[in-house]
Amino acid sequence: DQQVKQNSPSLSVQEGRISILNCDYTNSMFDYFLWYKKYPAEGPTFLISISSIKDKNEDGRFTVFLNKSAKHLSLHIVPSQPGDSAVYFCAASDWGNYQLIWGAGTKLIIKP
Amino acid sequence: KAGVTQTPRYLIKTRGQQVTLSCSPISGHRSVSWYQQTPGQGLQFLFEYFSETQRNKGNFPGRFSGRQFSNSRSEMNVSTLELGDSALYLCASSLATGNTIYFGEGSWLTVV
Repeated sequence: DQQVKQNSPSLSVQEGRISILNCDYTNSMFDYFLWYKKYPAEGPTFLISISSIKDKNEDGRFTVFLNKSAKHLSLHIVPSQPGDSAVYFCAASDWGNYQLIWGAGTKLIIKP
Repeated sequence: KAGVTQTPRYLIKTRGQQVTLSCSPISGHRSVSWYQQTPGQGLQFLFEYFSETQRNKGNFPGRFSGRQFSNSRSEMNVSTLELGDSALYLCASSLATGNTIYFGEGSWLTVV
């Protein structure tokens, strides 16, 4: 059973517009969430994280929102740039088991 | 500060052979985890080590094993290679449990 779900395998957004990537989770014990960006043939790069005690965290063009009641988080990228084209993974901490639980990823394509 | 270093970056092996992949974590990081990514798939957790102890293992056959040394460097080994083992193997390190993990560039394994 997938505990972290990214239901959109891909997303296409016009350059300069907002990109919104979504992630849902099922385990209410998760207390820390992270977003990673991955280019082909490279390791994922950490983007931004959020603790369950917050509902928003911002870093430059990237903002992550957490809705604990809905068990939902989203990553907003504003404005979207061509270099943002990549696969984005969300992950939730299951530190009791010493691991992160990963979503399947969403491929973001930024159109010129 | 050097990032996570994985060697080799690329390798080709024959079915039935074994392979050892190496990972040097970021200096000061004591937790090392390994992931497998096959084309079109998300990140599959292999195992996590902390202070030379394996604390968790993913759902992989016993052909996949690993270890961590006293200097936190880690190796993973795959024996009796199968074609399906062709993948990008990623190592990640973190200071300790509960911290953000940082990935290396990965080792591309092709089994022919």
